[in-house]
Amino acid sequence: GAGVSQSPSNKVTEKGKDVELRCDPISGHTALYWYRQSLGQGLEFLIYFQGNSAPDKSGLPSDRFSAERTGGSVSTLTIQRTQQEDSAVYLCASSFGGGASSTDTQYFGPGTRLTVL
Amino acid sequence: AQSVTQLGSHVSVSEGALVLLRCNYSSSVPPYLFWYVQYPNQGLQLLLKYTSAATLVKGINGFEAEFKKSETSFHLTKPSAHMRDAAEYFCAVSEIGGGNKLTFGTGTQLKVEL
Repeated sequence: GAGVSQSPSNKVTEKGKDVELRCDPISGHTALYWYRQSLGQGLEFLIYFQGNSAPDKSGLPSDRFSAERTGGSVSTLTIQRTQQEDSAVYLCASSFGGGASSTDTQYFGPGTRLTVL
Repeated sequence: AQSVTQLGSHVSVSEGALVLLRCNYSSSVPPYLFWYVQYPNQGLQLLLKYTSAATLVKGINGFEAEFKKSETSFHLTKPSAHMRDAAEYFCAVSEIGGGNKLTFGTGTQLKVEL
């Protein structure tokens, strides 16, 4: 079946603009994760959604970052008033389960490369 | 807070030689441990994971890793490197009972030479 897909694959924006990044998880996966991969910070957890539970937002770097997951499927990561330090590859992953003690394999999408000029 | 240290940001081996990529974790309670591989311009792919069952874990593509609690290590090995193994490798941990969110190491770029 289809894997995790992300769009756009590349996004160039100007400092101060808002951007939306989309993630389509694998069908039937209840958990969805966002990570960021940057030269300075490596791979960082941002946020994760598990079923109907409140999302774990503990990794979001500032209140300019938000995410939602509609209908338990597609997720959108929004960055408001982008800054140059937001430039990174944003990775989405999904897993079949994702509860407190889950170790279900996370399947990663190819990422969205964000460049803030 | 747990953390992961990968010694050696770049490792170079000859084709057919042993591959050893090092990973040490810092956690008061042994966490779940993972190795992921990232090929150029591709997403991350799980190689193997330790979830408190057998301490020697076998993964895909001939890789394996051994969990050693006394050394807080989870080193990745492969007996004989192949050119197609050239990629970046990430060690990661997740906290037991803390959800499935991963904390990654800084990665090791593996180069395989003829």
